Amino acid sequence: EVQLVESGGGLVQPGGSLRLSCAASAFSFSSYSMNWVRQAPGKGLEWVSYITSGSSTIYYADSVKGRFTISRDNTKNSLYLQMNSLRAEDTAVYYCARGVNSNHNGVDVWGKGTSVTVSS
Amino acid sequence: DIQVTQSPSSLFASVGDRVTITCRASQSITSQTNSDYLNWYQQKPGKAPKLLIYAASSLQGGVPSRFSGSGSGTDFTLTISNLQPEDFATYYCQQSYTAPYSFGQGTKLEIK
Repeated sequence: EVQLVESGGGLVQPGGSLRLSCAASAFSFSSYSMNWVRQAPGKGLEWVSYITSGSSTIYYADSVKGRFTISRDNTKNSLYLQMNSLRAEDTAVYYCARGVNSNHNGVDVWGKGTSVTVSS
Repeated sequence: DIQVTQSPSSLFASVGDRVTITCRASQSITSQTNSDYLNWYQQKPGKAPKLLIYAASSLQGGVPSRFSGSGSGTDFTLTISNLQPEDFATYYCQQSYTAPYSFGQGTKLEIK
């Protein structure tokens, strides 16, 4: 079964850092672009970041640019999100998601999400 | 950046009804090759979103045919015919024309 499993979420103080991981299985991870999408409590979906299959192209939402870094290790079938200078407004469930046709055909596989809470 | 505006924000309907949700992009999201980069997702409480329709009108595998999408340029619609109990959820559109790949605000479909 095609699967994405996020980990690394938790409670962190404002200004702190956290690294999220996403483990992919049962598909050719190195052939797909990947995304991070988040959802604040009771709010809608917010796209966060995108990385192509070979890491040559990376995009960020303005809200996280300069603070978050997306990366991947195709040898480990893993996607990462390094989050620095965290703010209360970064509190959300973070989803790892697979892009189709370089995202042009949407995001077709999602993990269950990992929860990040930024609070003192 | 492309803004995506979805309407209505909430919708009440009954089993068997036909409903339509609209998504409007702030600029055209149709490519020169006439590909429409608009996708629709369904999300149920506590669950990850699920891709329903991509490229404005292509049904994702396994999605019932009562779901359909249409539109081009800046205006798109998601139609659900013969509503079933499992269709009551929140629906999002997303443009995938260019980054940032913005989502609409969501439409919560509730039972009347």
